[in-house]
Amino acid sequence: GAGVSQSPSNKVTEKGKDVELRCDPISGHTALYWYRQSLGQGLEFLIYFQGNSAPDKSGLPSDRFSAERTGGSVSTLTIQRTQQEDSAVYLCASSPPRGVTYEQYFGPGTRLTVT
Amino acid sequence: SQQGEEDPQALSIQEGENATMNCSYKTSINNLQWYRQNSGRGLVHLILIRSNEREKHSGRLRVTLDTSKKSSSLLITASRAADTASYFCATDSQGAQKLVFGQGTRLTINP
Repeated sequence: GAGVSQSPSNKVTEKGKDVELRCDPISGHTALYWYRQSLGQGLEFLIYFQGNSAPDKSGLPSDRFSAERTGGSVSTLTIQRTQQEDSAVYLCASSPPRGVTYEQYFGPGTRLTVT
Repeated sequence: SQQGEEDPQALSIQEGENATMNCSYKTSINNLQWYRQNSGRGLVHLILIRSNEREKHSGRLRVTLDTSKKSSSLLITASRAADTASYFCATDSQGAQKLVFGQGTRLTINP
């Protein structure tokens, strides 16, 4: 079946502009995660959605970052007033309902460059 | 802060040799997972080991877990050029599905 998809694959934006990154999880996966990965670094957790529960936003680095998940499926990560330090690869992952497995399935990522 | 920490940060070996990467973590876990990442894009799940397991095999991969030392190792036997990638361990805190990833080990297999 189809895996996790993300769009766009690459995004170049000017400092101060807003950007929206999209994630389509695997159908039936109730959990959705956003991570950020700077060049040569590990994954930094941003936000986690689980079903209809309130999202875990503990990893969002500032109030310029927000995310929503509509209808328990597609998610959008929004970065307002982008800064150069926001340049990174943004990865989305989804996983099956809790209690089955904690394995996460990753999308290919969106490479964001802020100039 | 990242819970899992891998070492070494980088490893370069000859094709056919075995590669061993280690991961240490700080808090109690439900399970520990290893992922592979090629070319800085999406990660691929390799293997999951539960907190009550000590060793697990999958093809050329062998994972061990020592909960008393809060450490895990990933062994890749008979390495191939295609194994060149970054390898990350990830842990979940008990009661949470959220994973915390380490900084990764960059593995290079020389032909």
